[in-house]
Amino acid sequence: AQKITQTQPGMFVQEKEAVTLDCTYDTSDPSYGLFWYKQPSSGEMIFLIYQGSYDQQNATEGRYSLNFQKARKSANLVISASQLGDSAMYFCAMREGSSYNTDKLIFGTGTRLQVFP
Amino acid sequence: KAGVTQTPRYLIKTRGQQVTLSCSPISGHRSVSWYQQTPGQGLQFLFEYFSETQRNKGNFPGRFSGRQFSNSRSEMNVSTLELGDSALYLCASSFRRTGGSANEKLFFGSGTQLSVL
Repeated sequence: AQKITQTQPGMFVQEKEAVTLDCTYDTSDPSYGLFWYKQPSSGEMIFLIYQGSYDQQNATEGRYSLNFQKARKSANLVISASQLGDSAMYFCAMREGSSYNTDKLIFGTGTRLQVFP
Repeated sequence: KAGVTQTPRYLIKTRGQQVTLSCSPISGHRSVSWYQQTPGQGLQFLFEYFSETQRNKGNFPGRFSGRQFSNSRSEMNVSTLELGDSALYLCASSFRRTGGSANEKLFFGSGTQLSVL
């Protein structure tokens, strides 16, 4: 069954440093899409970055990049130059090829990132 | 452009009561999906509506229902509330087109925090 695993319940990083949040996934579908969302204390889930299973290059969006290792089934989020405002919960999610026509995403349990000065 | 709007922001109900939550998607978005977020179960997909039709449903009891109106606004209803229904209910919308695509991202609201006493 499809599954997303985030093994880091919490992470600390100093301001201006880079941090990597881990995500591994399990699916038998050769087609899938991977997402990262940020959830601040306000509750709203904010889209950060997307990686498709057939994308040749790792995705990047500003300070966010994705270390996509398909053979290892991992899609780690790298945040460069952390800012205090990056403190939030971060969720990895997947949409399988069989679900391309729906908005059903499978989410991981999340990682709470805390950035300190 | 206004984001996804969910009302009310907070709700307190007692066991056995029913509740209706409302979601207004981003203008132009026709797909609305609902997720339940709890500390124990994480984020779980409830159901999805597209052009007033339910297209997908998660593994939740029949007490959970929803609908979508012609203006794409959606409501979800929970009848005979149980203590375990206490959760953050998140609504998401997307600009889903026919045929589907893996990279269609969801835009979430801030959620409705439901407490069942």
